Amino acid sequence: GESVGLHLPTLSVQEGDNSIINCAYSNSASDYFIWYKQESGKGPQFIIDIRSNMDKRQGQRVTVLLNKTVKHLSLQIAATQPGDSAVYFCAEKGGAQKLVFGQGTRLTINP
Amino acid sequence: DTAVSQTPKYLVTQMGNDKSIKCEQNLGHDTMYWYKQDSKKFLKIMFSYNNKELIINETVPNRFSPKSPDKAHLNLHINSLELGDSAVYFCASSQDMSSGRYFGPGTRLTVT
Repeated sequence: GESVGLHLPTLSVQEGDNSIINCAYSNSASDYFIWYKQESGKGPQFIIDIRSNMDKRQGQRVTVLLNKTVKHLSLQIAATQPGDSAVYFCAEKGGAQKLVFGQGTRLTINP
Repeated sequence: DTAVSQTPKYLVTQMGNDKSIKCEQNLGHDTMYWYKQDSKKFLKIMFSYNNKELIINETVPNRFSPKSPDKAHLNLHINSLELGDSAVYFCASSQDMSSGRYFGPGTRLTVT
């Protein structure tokens, strides 16, 4: 079956440093991946997506890397700010058009 | 100008009761969803509707009945509420099944 997992459930970084959140997926047929940010008391917010025909995509202060060989996805946040504190989810779209979410990584920013 | 809205934001009720959660999107999307998020933050799809038709039903108990009166609305009715139904329920929408989902603010349901 499909499963999406995260290497670390929590991540603490210093303000101003870069953050890297990792995600492993199991379905090699997945063709679309999304990173979401969920702040406390709010719904998940779309950050960035990537299709399987790409290996890198950049947004504003965020970069998503896709390594299909090892089925690994990462989200890099540059110059982490206090407002980046949240739970981050990766999600993959595989069979039956379902979006399967990972467990989530809590990112904490230290001043 | 909220994209995906849900009401109510909080819902506290007793076991056995019937309750509804409403969802509306003003993005002009064709597809709407209900997700359940448990206490460990795990998000799981419950239902997916495309143009008012049920596409995905993830083995959710039939006490849960989604209703889509039109493309912009997807309501969730829950009968005979149980303790295990306590969770945060998120409505979402997307342009189509292949696109990213836009989530509502969530409804925290507490069953006592």
